[in-house]
Amino acid sequence: KNQVEQSPQSLIILEGKNCTLQCNYTVSPFSNLRWYKQDTGRGPVSLTIMTFSENTKSNGRYTATLDADTKQSSLHITASQLSDSASYICVVSALSGGYNKLIFGAGTRLAVHP
Amino acid sequence: SQTIHQWPATLVQPVGSPLSLECTVEGTSNPNLYWYRQAAGRGLQLLFYSVGIGQISSEVPQNLSASRPQDRQFILSSKKLLLSDSGFYLCAWSVGSMTNSYNEQFFGPGTRLTVL
Repeated sequence: KNQVEQSPQSLIILEGKNCTLQCNYTVSPFSNLRWYKQDTGRGPVSLTIMTFSENTKSNGRYTATLDADTKQSSLHITASQLSDSASYICVVSALSGGYNKLIFGAGTRLAVHP
Repeated sequence: SQTIHQWPATLVQPVGSPLSLECTVEGTSNPNLYWYRQAAGRGLQLLFYSVGIGQISSEVPQNLSASRPQDRQFILSSKKLLLSDSGFYLCAWSVGSMTNSYNEQFFGPGTRLTVL
């Protein structure tokens, strides 16, 4: 069964600190992995997308890593800001039933406090 | 530039009442359109997708239906709502072949549905 699991479920950090969010997946066949940021009550917005051959990708203060062998990914946020408070969703893409299907994790809810 | 609209933003409906949620996309032609539901503490679940007018594919059996009467309009409906239909409903669009795994999906602002 295709699954994407994220940890922790929620996280509280102080402004300026770094944090790392984890994602484990069992998806086959794997196409790519994405991280999305979802503000409360809004739709998700893409942060990064990585293929199996990419180990790391950055988008400003966000750096995603991928280990296709262990099927793990992480999202590292540097020098956190209050505006980073949101849910971060790991999404794995697989070609299934003739189309590209996205399998979503439940997300990690991050709260950045001043 | 492309934009996606959903309405209403929030909705409270009694059990057994009908439902109609609307999604429209601007600034693109022949998009692929999607309806997702996000339950509390769960990942987004794909409900329906459409590659063209009148073409609807359902991912999971449920109390809901979808229609695409125009190229950039996608409607989610129900004849009789259940308590379990409560959730956050998101519409999304993409362009290009559905087999291209690198196609970006762009999400709308969502509709919060509460069934009482």
